[in-house]
Amino acid sequence: NAGVTQTPKFQVLKTGQSMTLQCAQDMNHEYMSWYRQDPGMGLRLIHYSVGAGITDQGEVPNGYNVSRSTTEDFPLRLLSAAPSQTSVYFCASSQFGSALQYFGPGTRLTVT
Amino acid sequence: SQELEQSPQSLIVQEGKNLTINCTSSKTLYGLYWYKQKYGEGLIFLMMLQKGGEEKSHEKITAKLDEKKQQSSLHITASQPSHAGIYLCGAGRSGGTSYGKLTFGQGTILTVHP
Repeated sequence: NAGVTQTPKFQVLKTGQSMTLQCAQDMNHEYMSWYRQDPGMGLRLIHYSVGAGITDQGEVPNGYNVSRSTTEDFPLRLLSAAPSQTSVYFCASSQFGSALQYFGPGTRLTVT
Repeated sequence: SQELEQSPQSLIVQEGKNLTINCTSSKTLYGLYWYKQKYGEGLIFLMMLQKGGEEKSHEKITAKLDEKKQQSSLHITASQPSHAGIYLCGAGRSGGTSYGKLTFGQGTILTVHP
């Protein structure tokens, strides 16, 4: 099993550009989440999903969109990138009924 | 203030020394998860504690949960350079759709000098 995979690993965007961060898992996990990691702030939840077709906002959802059309994939869309969105983004998944999350390797995003 | 506070925020130790990292919650804990992150990489799950008084060990790392104090500690014995990285604690919340979401502390950066 590949576990949780994320692409790209690195990305540089200009302010105002849009892009999609990809996340996929092959463990048949129901729950998937997106976090951002900033220095001194730990990980903060952006959006999460408890199953295909169901998504909800986390702590810092503004400027991001998600959808979950399949169990495996959970893409994160930046609508109009801003320098404040410079961060490391992690995707995670977990089984139904469990809070134990498995993380992807992360995407390092810089917005200039 | 943060829901989960870790202390210290950073730690520099000499190889062979013991160290402790603490994680204190301002809310009721329903499970406490410890992760380690090497620089530039993803999070690796270390241990999960679910009951008050529970203690788990893996190699030279021991984690304990004090439910009454809403606190967990992570202790490393005889530290090695391979222990260096960022340690994060994550707290689960009560069931239902709270599953799949963890609230994290700000992380503790550990440096181990050979």
